[in-house]
Amino acid sequence: GAGVSQSPSNKVTEKGKDVELRCDPISGHTALYWYRQRLGQGLEFLIYFQGNSAPDKSGLPSDRFSAERTGESVSTLTIQRTQQEDSAVYLCASSLRGEQYFGPGTRLTVT
Amino acid sequence: KQEVTQIPAALSVPEGENLVLNCSFTDSAIYNLQWFRQDPGKGLTSLLLIQSSQREQTSGRLNASLDKSSGRSTLYIAASQPGDSATYLCAVSLDKLIFGTGTRLQVFP
Repeated sequence: GAGVSQSPSNKVTEKGKDVELRCDPISGHTALYWYRQRLGQGLEFLIYFQGNSAPDKSGLPSDRFSAERTGESVSTLTIQRTQQEDSAVYLCASSLRGEQYFGPGTRLTVT
Repeated sequence: KQEVTQIPAALSVPEGENLVLNCSFTDSAIYNLQWFRQDPGKGLTSLLLIQSSQREQTSGRLNASLDKSSGRSTLYIAASQPGDSATYLCAVSLDKLIFGTGTRLQVFP
């Protein structure tokens, strides 16, 4: 069956530009998560959506980061006025009963 | 604040050896613990999920145990193969996952 998909797979942007990253979760999964992994570092939680509840935004590093989810479907992570420290792989995961399944990630490079 | 530690950070072994990877966490209030592998330049593949009420899970050559009271989990890999070479991550969950820093495993022929 189809897994979690993310687009684009790679994104190169200039410092100061806005970017949007997309995640399509596994159909029927009520929970959706965004994480990021900077080079040589571990995975950091960013934001979590569960059904119609208010999202857990506790991991967002600054107000330049925001995310939306349409129902129990696609999610977009937006980074405004990108900085070089935003360069990372951004991973999306979805789950139904606890086990999280990850997409292949979007590699973001800010030049 | 939950902290997850994995040892060793790196491991290099000849093919055929049995391996134990260790994971420890500071807060025993978890829903589950999940083991992943990460191949270079790729996403995460879920290997095993252990619910907080469980003691272990097995999948093929992999066996993961959980001792919630002591804040420890181990991943046992039997008869290692070069294809097992990857970074292995453990993560604990209440809702979001808190990841360890991983064990980089290399299995050479």
